[in-house]
Amino acid sequence: EVQLVETGGGLIQPGGSLRLSCSASGFTVSRNHINWVRQAPGKGLEWVSVIYSVGSTYYAESVKGRFTISRDSSKNTLYLQMNSLRAEDTAVYYCAKDLAVAGSGGVFDYWGQGTLVTVSP
Amino acid sequence: EIVLTQSPATLSLSPGERVTLSCRASQSVSSNLAWYQQKSGQAPRLLIYDASNRATGIPARFSGSGSGTDFTLTISSLEPEDFAVYYCQQRSNWPLTFGGGTKVEIK
Repeated sequence: EVQLVETGGGLIQPGGSLRLSCSASGFTVSRNHINWVRQAPGKGLEWVSVIYSVGSTYYAESVKGRFTISRDSSKNTLYLQMNSLRAEDTAVYYCAKDLAVAGSGGVFDYWGQGTLVTVSP
Repeated sequence: EIVLTQSPATLSLSPGERVTLSCRASQSVSSNLAWYQQKSGQAPRLLIYDASNRATGIPARFSGSGSGTDFTLTISSLEPEDFAVYYCQQRSNWPLTFGGGTKVEIK
């Protein structure tokens, strides 16, 4: 059974850093495209980043240069390193597995339960 | 960036009714459109991908149609568990974008 469990959220001051983890089971992270998607309180969904099975990475303009997506194959875990955090980064962060294992993907078939990041003084 | 506009913002309906939700793209996304359902306090769930393909385990009462810029999600007969927010999402162009959502609430 595919499962994704996010951890690492919390309250952080503006300008601070936080690393989110997404522990996967039931599939191999390094053989799949995995995304981060966030949702500000009471708002809609916003795609943040993807790491493809081949290792290439892409980011939304709003986080480019501040966030870094990575993975650890030995732990079957995905990460999102978030630096220079801003109030507008406050959101629930979900990791989401892509339906495709090759090509450009972009369909999210399994989601974690999310972890809340609050950026506030 | 491709903007997805969902309408209406809210629908008030009764169980058993037929539901039609709309998603309009600011430019063509071909058939590269998905629909998700999100219940309060839960993660989104994939319903439809590539405009008309039901995801694994999704009941047949859910169907999707459209191509280019205009898409529709139809629920043939609302069940109590279908009251939720529905989002469309395109994967045609970077960045991947979502619509603002349509809330289907109990009348």
